[in-house]
Amino acid sequence: GEDVEQSLFLSVREGDSSVINCTYTDSSSTYLYWYKQEPGAGLQLLTYIFSNMDMKQDQRLTVLLNKKDKHLSLRIADTQTGDSAIYFCAVPFGNEKLTFGTGTRLTIIP
Amino acid sequence: EAGVVQSPRYKIIEKKQPVAFWCNPISGHNTLYWYRQNLGQGPELLIRYENEEAVDDSQLPKDRFSAERLKGVDSTLKIQPAELGDSAVYLCASSPTGGQGSLFFGSGTQLSVL
Repeated sequence: GEDVEQSLFLSVREGDSSVINCTYTDSSSTYLYWYKQEPGAGLQLLTYIFSNMDMKQDQRLTVLLNKKDKHLSLRIADTQTGDSAIYFCAVPFGNEKLTFGTGTRLTIIP
Repeated sequence: EAGVVQSPRYKIIEKKQPVAFWCNPISGHNTLYWYRQNLGQGPELLIRYENEEAVDDSQLPKDRFSAERLKGVDSTLKIQPAELGDSAVYLCASSPTGGQGSLFFGSGTQLSVL
């Protein structure tokens, strides 16, 4: 079936790197996505990676994809207080049905 | 450019009452989605429209939920009658045709059923 798994919580000290992990069941999707949700707001597309890539870097964000292990990760360098949010991994399964993980709540420790 | 607009922002009703949510997508976006987000979980798709056609409503509880997208622009999601378990945030999103997973979300309607 279609399943996307994430750990629920992550706490990181300000200035350190944050790594948020995601695993998913088999998917033939072309892209995989990371969304960010701040309190009281809808989700915002943060970044994505093409399925034939294994890494994509965008300023402080690095996405790593291991297709063999069906593992996706998001690394945020130099984590700031403004990065506090819930981060969702999202994978399109058949017929473009985008399935979201449970979300990882990132807390920044001053 | 205006984003996806949803109203109301909050709604509190008693069980068995009807409720409706409204969504105005980004101009030019042909694909519209309704998601439900329960507390502490990721959004789950209820229905997806391509223009005015519902192309995926397999997860919509059709005994009490209905949706429409007349003229392929605005959309309304209705629950009648509401149950306690319907308490959640209802999110609307839109994307250009072929946008796959690049969705633009509204702020959502937080529904509390008492």
